[in-house]
Amino acid sequence: AQSVSQHNHHVILSEAASLELGCNYSYGGTVNLFWYVQYPGQHLQLLLKYFSGDPLVKGIKGFEAEFIKSKFSFNLRKPSVQWSDTAEYFCAVKVDKIIFGKGTRLHILP
Amino acid sequence: DSGVTQTPKHLITATGQRVTLRCSPRSGDLSVYWYQQSLDQGLQFLIQYYNGEERAKGNILERFSAQQFPDLHSELNLSSLELGDSALYFCASSDHLAGELFFGEGSRLTVL
Repeated sequence: AQSVSQHNHHVILSEAASLELGCNYSYGGTVNLFWYVQYPGQHLQLLLKYFSGDPLVKGIKGFEAEFIKSKFSFNLRKPSVQWSDTAEYFCAVKVDKIIFGKGTRLHILP
Repeated sequence: DSGVTQTPKHLITATGQRVTLRCSPRSGDLSVYWYQQSLDQGLQFLIQYYNGEERAKGNILERFSAQQFPDLHSELNLSSLELGDSALYFCASSDHLAGELFFGEGSRLTVL
């Protein structure tokens, strides 16, 4: 069965710092991969997705993620975070159903 | 606004009771997904429907059931409620089986 693991449960950064959130999945076949963001008090929104093609995927708000098949990873990155990036971030993988990781709470200090 | 509508937004009830959560997907979306979000378990997949038929099942308790109606709206029924069922229940829809999910704002259930 597919599963998703997010390494960091809580991350605190200062504005302008670089961000990398880890995501690993367990499934040997073809997968679709997603990163979602949940701002305080809001619903989940799609940041970016990977279905096929270029493994470096660019999303909204300056986020990007790299799919590394050999490592079963899909890490989320942003070169310079802003206070408004404070939110919870979820990695998700789709095989027959879409399974989410437990999320990473990101807190940006102004 | 994602286009997915969930009602009610908040619900407070007692143990042993039964509640129904409703979801209207985005116009044209055939797939509906239900998730339960709690602090300790994260976002747990419950069940998925596609055009009225059950497509995938996750960690959904036997006390819970769902269905998708011909007009594509979906209902999640939770019965014999326990304190541990208190959570945020999200509905999401997508336009096809492989598509991205669009989430509603959730129904917050509190069981006292």
